Amino acid sequence: GAVVSQHPSWVICKSGTSVKIECRSLDFQATTMFWYRQFPKQSLMLMATSNEGSKATYEQGVEKDKFLINHASLTLSTLTVTSAHPEDSSFYICSAEVLAGGPNEQFFGPGTRLTVL
Amino acid sequence: GQNIDQPTEMTATEGAIVQINCTYQTSGFNGLFWYQQHAGEAPTFLSYNVLDGLEEKGRFSSFLSRSKGYSYLLLKELQMKDSASYLCAVKDSNYQLIWGAGTKLIIKP
Repeated sequence: GAVVSQHPSWVICKSGTSVKIECRSLDFQATTMFWYRQFPKQSLMLMATSNEGSKATYEQGVEKDKFLINHASLTLSTLTVTSAHPEDSSFYICSAEVLAGGPNEQFFGPGTRLTVL
Repeated sequence: GQNIDQPTEMTATEGAIVQINCTYQTSGFNGLFWYQQHAGEAPTFLSYNVLDGLEEKGRFSSFLSRSKGYSYLLLKELQMKDSASYLCAVKDSNYQLIWGAGTKLIIKP
């Protein structure tokens, strides 16, 4: 099956710093990648849809200047949390959609746990 | 608005069968997905239904009725490792995936 990697798997940073999370599709090209965040015991919340070569589409209530998304190639999308604050602490998960004529399910990366002190 | 409902939590016994229901109200329909998510991990794909009926995959089966806006995930011969959250998601007319809140399944020996 399709493999999506994320790096780092966990990060602890000080308040006010920026953190970059990478999402890579390892064995396929992903024209569309998705970024989610998930708080403990809650469901996935879509933050933005990232399309290769164009600006990301952000969901309502997600600050585009705070959560910078870059999808520079067909295998890499990055999420940068700028000026992180403790309330940004969460589990961030990326996924990529495989367009192969089938169900086009999303394959998820292992997630990045961000803790802001 | 768009809405997906599934029970918050269910409990079942090892070796038994459990059915997790999902009802949806979305603008259009382009398929329904079930994902499994263990605590602290990312979701993994379980099944996909786009036509009415039952899709069977080993111990897991998923059913869809588009006219009723209803699906269920059936898990047979439950094992302790099946303890996880099960997420129902529907692709709407814009092919956007709408997620349910998930059902936490607790398996007891």
